Amino acid sequence: AQTVTQSQPEMSVQEAETVTLSCTYDTSESNYYLFWYKQPPSRQMILVIRQEAYKQQNATENRFSVNFQKAAKSFSLKISDSQLGDTAMYFCAFMKLFQGAQKLVFGQGTRLTINP
Amino acid sequence: AAGVIQSPRHLIKEKRETATLKCYPIPRHDTVYWYQQGPGQDPQFLISFYEKMQSDKGSIPDRFSAQQFSDYHSELNMSSLELGDSALYFCASSSTTGTSGSRYEQYFGPGTRLTVT
Repeated sequence: AQTVTQSQPEMSVQEAETVTLSCTYDTSESNYYLFWYKQPPSRQMILVIRQEAYKQQNATENRFSVNFQKAAKSFSLKISDSQLGDTAMYFCAFMKLFQGAQKLVFGQGTRLTINP
Repeated sequence: AAGVIQSPRHLIKEKRETATLKCYPIPRHDTVYWYQQGPGQDPQFLISFYEKMQSDKGSIPDRFSAQQFSDYHSELNMSSLELGDSALYFCASSSTTGTSGSRYEQYFGPGTRLTVT
């Protein structure tokens, strides 16, 4: 079974700073996807970014980028120029690919607070 | 853009009662997933449906059942409710006909907060 570990339960930075959230995973699969989801106080789960395991290039979405190290099974999220609206719980998620629907396996989450 | 719709948003039930949660996926999405998120926990996969057929099953109690209908909406039926069933229940949807990467993206609804007293 796949496991996802987020070793930082909480983080806090000042507005406009850059912050990196860590995520490691354990799998014997070679074909999979990784995601970061954001859960603000509203509890809505919002997709932040996606990374395909077969791609060497790190995904980027505006101020959000990842550092994907496949051999190390590491998948960190970097938030640049952090904003107050980035305050949320962030979940790293793993998806094994097989025929049919693919479930997400989440890490425990990192609570990120952006201070003014 | 249209999002996943879940109803009701809040539900209060007593122990041993039944509850039905509904999910309306994003239009043209053919796959639905149900997740349960307990207080202070990460979401846990319950069950999924692709083209109205159950495609995967997680740690879903036997007291729970679900189905996907011809219009692709899905319902999660929960019977003999227990205090431990109190949680936020998410429905997510995805489309297998999207581009190679986007077809694996799951979009979540706002959730149904179930409280069992």
